[in-house]
Amino acid sequence: ETGVTQTPRHLVMGMTNKKSLKCEQHLGHNAMYWYKQSAKKPLELMFVYSLEERVENNSVPSRFSPECPNSSHLFLHLHTLQPEDSALYLCASSQDGAGALHFGNGTRLTVT
Amino acid sequence: GENVEQHPSTLSVQEGDSAVIKCTYSDSASNYFPWYKQELGKGPQLIIDIRSNVGEKKDQRIAVTLNKTAKHFSLHITETQPEDSAVYFCAARQENSGNTPLVFGKGTRLSVIA
Repeated sequence: ETGVTQTPRHLVMGMTNKKSLKCEQHLGHNAMYWYKQSAKKPLELMFVYSLEERVENNSVPSRFSPECPNSSHLFLHLHTLQPEDSALYLCASSQDGAGALHFGNGTRLTVT
Repeated sequence: GENVEQHPSTLSVQEGDSAVIKCTYSDSASNYFPWYKQELGKGPQLIIDIRSNVGEKKDQRIAVTLNKTAKHFSLHITETQPEDSAVYFCAARQENSGNTPLVFGKGTRLSVIA
């Protein structure tokens, strides 16, 4: 196991649905991240939380809404998504925003 | 901001041969350079990293070299094995500068042919 657990592993949703992705880290880190991974594109940073405060929001559409209730848990709430939002969504954590990121295995999202 | 270029995008080698993946970065302030390996159905996993105070680091069959003047760094895998087949990502960031994000290259798909 990676120390970072993401659920669900796969998600299929319609454009009018509301769903949430969950991430939990067991590494004692204090920073957590959401990345989007699409085919033939670099990993795209979406959100960064440090000490449970959002410190980065890379012009992500409002249909993606993050939540970080504590340093071990991170959610990504999804609503009225578009087919182009289909991708692998990766959660990661690190200590003090430095050093290596530790990734989960991702949620494969398909929007129909 | 930082920009990381990675080459090649695909690489096929015979088992036992060496593989080299190269990356360049644009921000001279970047001082931390990790490499990740992503296998099918999994998230990227850190395999080796280097900081700008050293020029080379080795871990068994994997080595990374860094040329700060030219702003490029490379991953070297020797005696490749079929289990080395995966997508490899380089990345760069400036540590100890708030929450400067890690910027990734587009990845290299390595295939090791048995």
